[in-house]
Amino acid sequence: QLQLQESGPGLVKPSETLSLTCTVSGGSISSSSYYWGWIRQPPGKGLEWIGSIYYSGSTYYNPSLKSRVTISVDTSKNQFSLKLSSVTAADTAVYYCARHGRAVAVFDLWGRGTLVTVSS
Amino acid sequence: SYVLTQPPSVSVAPGQTARITCGGNNIGSKSVHWYQQKPGQAPVLVVYDDSDRPSGIPERFSGSNSGNTATLTISRVEAGDEADYYCQVWDSSSDHHVVFGGGTKLTVL
Repeated sequence: QLQLQESGPGLVKPSETLSLTCTVSGGSISSSSYYWGWIRQPPGKGLEWIGSIYYSGSTYYNPSLKSRVTISVDTSKNQFSLKLSSVTAADTAVYYCARHGRAVAVFDLWGRGTLVTVSS
Repeated sequence: SYVLTQPPSVSVAPGQTARITCGGNNIGSKSVHWYQQKPGQAPVLVVYDDSDRPSGIPERFSGSNSGNTATLTISRVEAGDEADYYCQVWDSSSDHHVVFGGGTKLTVL
């Protein structure tokens, strides 16, 4: 059974770079049928898509975050990663990794999420 | 950019029918997906491609999409259906990207 697990620091200082990794287990990240994405949710607020990556390295980013976001993939480790630069308190959120279809962008599998707090 | 509008809250008595709307410009031309999120948990897909259900989702959950409004309908509402619900589309009109609605809190009275 395929599972996703986020990992990374739970506390990041303002102006620094947030870095998270999502490990895919029970299946291959190199499937031709799926993209792998990051979504975040500030406390008490709604879902915000950050971006998605295909195993080949092709990416889509949320235009509102594009200047600060880099998503990469490491197929040898079955992982994909998120880097968000120049963070502020507004970037405090639960960050989820998830899988969505290549043909239809529906998120059918999610990680449990990890809370990242931006604070000095 | 494309915007999806949901009512902040919907209330319904147990056993009744809840309808949660998702408004967007010509949303009927897009595939709409719906997620349920309970407190402290990751979202769960409950309806995809406007009206299809993933395996394991009760038939009480259904969806429709036409014109400028998509609707998630929950029949015979149970206390366990109390959650936040989000609609989502893929916007390919400009910069390709995923769009979520703001979410609707379903309260079971």
